[in-house]
Amino acid sequence: KQEVTQIPAALSVPEGENLVLNCSFTDSAIYNLQWFRQDPGKGLTSLLLIQSSQREQTSGRLNASLDKSSGRSTLYIAASQPGDSATYLCAAAGTIETSGSRLTFGEGTQLTVNP
Amino acid sequence: KAGVTQTPRYLIKTRGQQVTLSCSPISGHRSVSWYQQTPGQGLQFLFEYFSETQRNKGNFPGRFSGRQFSNSRSEMNVSTLELGDSALYLCASSFDSHNEQFFGPGTRLTVL
Repeated sequence: KQEVTQIPAALSVPEGENLVLNCSFTDSAIYNLQWFRQDPGKGLTSLLLIQSSQREQTSGRLNASLDKSSGRSTLYIAASQPGDSATYLCAAAGTIETSGSRLTFGEGTQLTVNP
Repeated sequence: KAGVTQTPRYLIKTRGQQVTLSCSPISGHRSVSWYQQTPGQGLQFLFEYFSETQRNKGNFPGRFSGRQFSNSRSEMNVSTLELGDSALYLCASSFDSHNEQFFGPGTRLTVL
């Protein structure tokens, strides 16, 4: 059974700082890994999707990496802004045979960027 | 392109009642998945529908059920509501399994 862990649970940084959010998963047989952002009381916004054959994906100030062999993914946020304050979730998708579209989520990292 | 829509956005029910939630996926998406989010358990997978067939199911009791229509719209039903069913119910759509998933705003269900 896939388990996903995110560290740290909460992070508070000053504006402008570069930061790294960590995600680890127990079963390396993943199909892809997706990072999401969730604002309080809202749905999830997809940030980046990394296929199992890829090592990293970039979108603007965001860069996500994937190391299947070690069961780890990181989300790097450059030059953080107060608008980046949200909860960041990573989710692993298993193989079609084992899990279809099921995503297994971590508990999230609550990020606060202070002006 | 319109995003995933969910109705209603908020619901208040009492124990023992039943409820139906609706999800309209992004146009052209054929896979719809449902998740329950609570402060204690986080996000948990309920089920996935693809081309009107349930493809995958999470570990929830039979009180939780769903269906998908020919236009890919999906509904989930919870019967005999319990206090513990209070949660944010999120729907996600994708073109097919293992494509990028896009989530709706959720339905906030409160059971009194």
